[in-house]
Amino acid sequence: GAGVSQSPSNKVTEKGKDVELRCDPISGHTALYWYRQSLGQGLEFLIYFQGNSAPDKSGLPSDRFSAERTGGSVSTLTIQRTQQEDSAVYLCASSRGQVETQYFGPGTRLLVL
Amino acid sequence: AQSVTQLGSHVSVSEGALVLLRCNYSSSVPPYLFWYVQYPNQGLQLLLKYTTGATLVKGINGFEAEFKKSETSFHLTKPSAHMSDAAEYFCAVSLTGANSKLTFGKGITLSVRP
Repeated sequence: GAGVSQSPSNKVTEKGKDVELRCDPISGHTALYWYRQSLGQGLEFLIYFQGNSAPDKSGLPSDRFSAERTGGSVSTLTIQRTQQEDSAVYLCASSRGQVETQYFGPGTRLLVL
Repeated sequence: AQSVTQLGSHVSVSEGALVLLRCNYSSSVPPYLFWYVQYPNQGLQLLLKYTTGATLVKGINGFEAEFKKSETSFHLTKPSAHMSDAAEYFCAVSLTGANSKLTFGKGITLSVRP
């Protein structure tokens, strides 16, 4: 079946602009995660959605970052007023539930000029 | 809180040689442990995981890892390296009873020499 998909695959933006990154999880997966992979910080957890529960936002680095998940499926990660330090690969993962294997998408490579 | 330590950033082995990638963790509760592999310009792929039960875990592509609670380790091994094993490997931990968010180590790049 189809895996986790993310769009766009690459995004170049200017400092100060807003960007939206999209994640389509595997059908039927109730859990969805966002991670960030950067040279300086490695792989970091950002946010977690599980069903209708309140999301765990404990990994979001600043209030410029937000995410939503509509209809328990597609998720959008929004970065407002982008900064150069936001440049990274943003990875989305989904799983059938807690403690289940997380399947990762190919990521969105964001470059802030 | 939990953390993962992967010592060194690069390991080089000859084709056919043993692969050993080290991972140590810190966790306040019994952990779940994972090894993921990332090939260039691709997402992360699960190699193997330990949750409960047998401490020696076998994964894909001939890899295995052993959970050693006394040593807080989860080292990854493969008896005979293949050129296709060249990639970046990440060890990760999540907490039992929690939301399963993964905490990753810094990763180790494996090179395989012909």
